[in-house]
Amino acid sequence: ETGVTQSPTHLIKTRGQQVTLRCSSQSGHNTVSWYQQALGQGPQFIFQYYREEENGRGNFPPRFSGLQFPNYSSELNVNALELDDSALYLCASSFRSGSRTGELFFGEGSRLTVL
Amino acid sequence: GIQVEQSPPDLILQEGANSTLRCNFSDSVNNLQWFHQNPWGQLINLFYIPSGTKQNGRLSATTVATERYSLLYISSSQTTDSGVYFCAVEARWDGGYNKLIFGAGTRLAVHP
Repeated sequence: ETGVTQSPTHLIKTRGQQVTLRCSSQSGHNTVSWYQQALGQGPQFIFQYYREEENGRGNFPPRFSGLQFPNYSSELNVNALELDDSALYLCASSFRSGSRTGELFFGEGSRLTVL
Repeated sequence: GIQVEQSPPDLILQEGANSTLRCNFSDSVNNLQWFHQNPWGQLINLFYIPSGTKQNGRLSATTVATERYSLLYISSSQTTDSGVYFCAVEARWDGGYNKLIFGAGTRLAVHP
């Protein structure tokens, strides 16, 4: 039990649709990161939010966007869904102090299927 | 960017056996974590170990930062140890942001 919760756990969308995934951070944490994990691969960094601002982005197009709220919860939005967006989306929370992100704790993930 | 290599990619054990998983990384790191991903996809924290040695029950880990590798030891393996083990590293601060870079994982199957 990491204290990081994600919703929904599973969802099915069709190509071209939009999706919003949600994450509640562990109490006391101020940083949220999102990762995409395709089947059989390791998680890939999408972006990180700190103090409600995007603080870094991996190799993902602008149709992947996010928000962090004052209570440190977060959303991941994906527009114009493509078949390759089918994956497990993982949210991680941590406490950032200075330049160090600290230990990351992951939620159970949201499994997205795009048909 | 920093590269993370895990070995072996696949491992099959008989219950009760011991094993060592290795993680090599190509640059200095601020953070190194070991995770176990269960069949439902949850990443479970095993160790936060940028350097030194830690033990937790049947599991232990050692990171030799100067030589850029980390080892995860599993002793007296059980069927519940099955799953994928990931090593993930955070590169030293480069004036921007930090992110965890994951290796490809070691897939462990423990048979009774």
